[in-house]
Amino acid sequence: DADVTQTPRNRITKTGKRIMLECSQTKGHDRMYWYRQDPGLGLRLIYYSFDVKDINKGEISDGYSVSRQAQAKFSLSLESAIPNQTALYFCATSDQANADHYYGYTFGSGTRLTVV
Amino acid sequence: AQKITQTQPGMFVQEKEAVTLDCTYDTSDQSYGLFWYKQPSSGEMIFLIYQGSYDEQNATEGRYSLNFQKARKSANLVISASQLGDSAMYFCAMREGRGSGNTGKLIFGQGTTLQVKP
Repeated sequence: DADVTQTPRNRITKTGKRIMLECSQTKGHDRMYWYRQDPGLGLRLIYYSFDVKDINKGEISDGYSVSRQAQAKFSLSLESAIPNQTALYFCATSDQANADHYYGYTFGSGTRLTVV
Repeated sequence: AQKITQTQPGMFVQEKEAVTLDCTYDTSDQSYGLFWYKQPSSGEMIFLIYQGSYDEQNATEGRYSLNFQKARKSANLVISASQLGDSAMYFCAMREGRGSGNTGKLIFGQGTTLQVKP
């Protein structure tokens, strides 16, 4: 099994629908992140969490909400999806203790979301 | 504000030749980390190489090396002996701060698409 699992892998939804993207990890990392990738813009941070009770907005949080249900689970919700939220979404984790080193970050395989 | 800039939207290289992908960054932090990731067409993010701001030696990982010029705030990726499998999108990223006090947030550049020609 993957260290960071994102579900679903692909999703097509209609404008105005509520959708949840889920992320679970087996790394035991304390920090979790949601990023969005758009062509020509790279990855941009939506939300991040240091632990269950510590959730922070990133660069582009408008239109999104998150829930850290447990150390291992971090979900991203689009309350009312709109077409410009069509993007590739990544969940990532990091280990604070090893934050200086590359192996501190693990990315999920991504969720490709299309809003029609 | 912290920023990563990759000025090459697309690059071509002949198989077996070396290629340099440019990355410049802007930060007021004294301590930071620089990363390069590869994203093949399948979409996953693959870590390639890391350079800490206090590391005196340029990082190397197999065919990948990072040309770190701190004064110029550049962190170019050099791929030697390019292979067809190197065709992918490449992202430069910066982590602000270091140690237990950092937020762990990664700031990404726009990406460079590399195509290796046979």
